[in-house]
Amino acid sequence: NAGVTQTPKFRVLKTGQSMTLLCAQDMNHEYMYWYRQDPGMGLRLIHYSVGEGTTAKGEVPDGYNVSRLKKQNFLLGLESAAPSQTSVYFCASSLPGRNSPLHFGNGTRLTVT
Amino acid sequence: AQKITQTQPGMFVQEKEAVTLDCTYDTSDPSYGLFWYKQPSSGEMIFLIYQGSYDQQNATEGRYSLNFQKARKSANLVISASQLGDSAMYFCAMRPDMDTGRRALTFGSGTRLQVQP
Repeated sequence: NAGVTQTPKFRVLKTGQSMTLLCAQDMNHEYMYWYRQDPGMGLRLIHYSVGEGTTAKGEVPDGYNVSRLKKQNFLLGLESAAPSQTSVYFCASSLPGRNSPLHFGNGTRLTVT
Repeated sequence: AQKITQTQPGMFVQEKEAVTLDCTYDTSDPSYGLFWYKQPSSGEMIFLIYQGSYDQQNATEGRYSLNFQKARKSANLVISASQLGDSAMYFCAMRPDMDTGRRALTFGSGTRLQVQP
């Protein structure tokens, strides 16, 4: 059981470049999330998905797009990277129960120069 | 909307002593859950403990316990008998029970705990 796996672990982009972060979970969870973590700000929700084929915006969605074509995968795309998107990105998944915690991947450290 | 406040950016504790990490929250939802996570220097997010707002007793998980005071809207994490491996960032988070369409957590800004030998 790998849990939640994120690729890549590290990436450096130049301003204006695009990239896709991949998240895969093997726990058959319906709900998946993308958060970003910045110093002093905790984790902020970018986008989320409550099931295959569905996505929705979180608190800070601008500059990002997502897709959930398969239940186990949740992709985060940056179409035109900006230095403000330098951050650590976490993917998470959960069951729908009210006491169900989020299970996190190990994060992707992205630097945009 | 919910808001989580962790007022202690950093804390020090001696090994084997107990420490309390503060968390206050603001919500208009009548029923909600509170979660604590640990983030060691390696970066992963580790779930520690859950408290439901209508749970009769304060949650405990091994050396972790929650000092939950609903009227004060606080859910402080107590770590007993601190160990060097407890040095990490700790996040408090919450979500309303009625938010079945999202189930996302709202996080505080975190407290960095350093355990000294």
